[in-house]
Amino acid sequence: GAGVSQSPRYKVAKRGQDVALRCDPISGHVSLFWYQQALGQGPEFLTYFQNEAQLDKSGLPSDRFFAERPEGSVSTLKIQRTQQEDSAVYLCASSLVVLTGELFFGEGSRLTVL
Amino acid sequence: AQRVTQPEKLLSVFKGAPVELKCNYSYSGSPELFWYVQYSRQRLQLLLRHISRESIKGFTADLNKGETSFHLKKPFAQEEDSAMYYCALNSGAGSYQLTFGKGTKLSVIP
Repeated sequence: GAGVSQSPRYKVAKRGQDVALRCDPISGHVSLFWYQQALGQGPEFLTYFQNEAQLDKSGLPSDRFFAERPEGSVSTLKIQRTQQEDSAVYLCASSLVVLTGELFFGEGSRLTVL
Repeated sequence: AQRVTQPEKLLSVFKGAPVELKCNYSYSGSPELFWYVQYSRQRLQLLLRHISRESIKGFTADLNKGETSFHLKKPFAQEEDSAMYYCALNSGAGSYQLTFGKGTKLSVIP
């Protein structure tokens, strides 16, 4: 498909488990973003990649969160030792231009930590 | 730090009535403002941005720097406008981040 693809769409994890969320951006998009959206809240910025370089990770809530985009295309957001407060929808977005322009969002990965 | 406030969690209007979704921001510089929309079972998508000054699906939004507002308006609501609407801010000057409000759910009553 032509849009941003995220997997898995739904993930249930027991507290303490590690999870990995994948994002396939639109082909050719330089910029890739991860956002976290808790229930009833707006999306909150986590991290930003320009090609393979992670230029901003100021939004990552703790060192349990790690993101990578090794070849400048697919990105993975990894959460180690998940906690209940990590339960949220994780949104990936990509953009053709370097700076924030129109973001194209994926459908999100809903993580539930029991 | 920038902040976006959408004071209404839920807004219900009748079909054909005017709609105004409020958005206020706090930022001392010259931000870029956006409205994103999420229809039921669809992904979040850009509706409009203030720099383009265009009307999309009958919606307009004017940036009022004096009142630090970017309210979204439509003169006649349609049932298909029912959705979640998020106001977002980018501080500009090379910033990558969009700061979103908590969103307003618009429900258009037939």
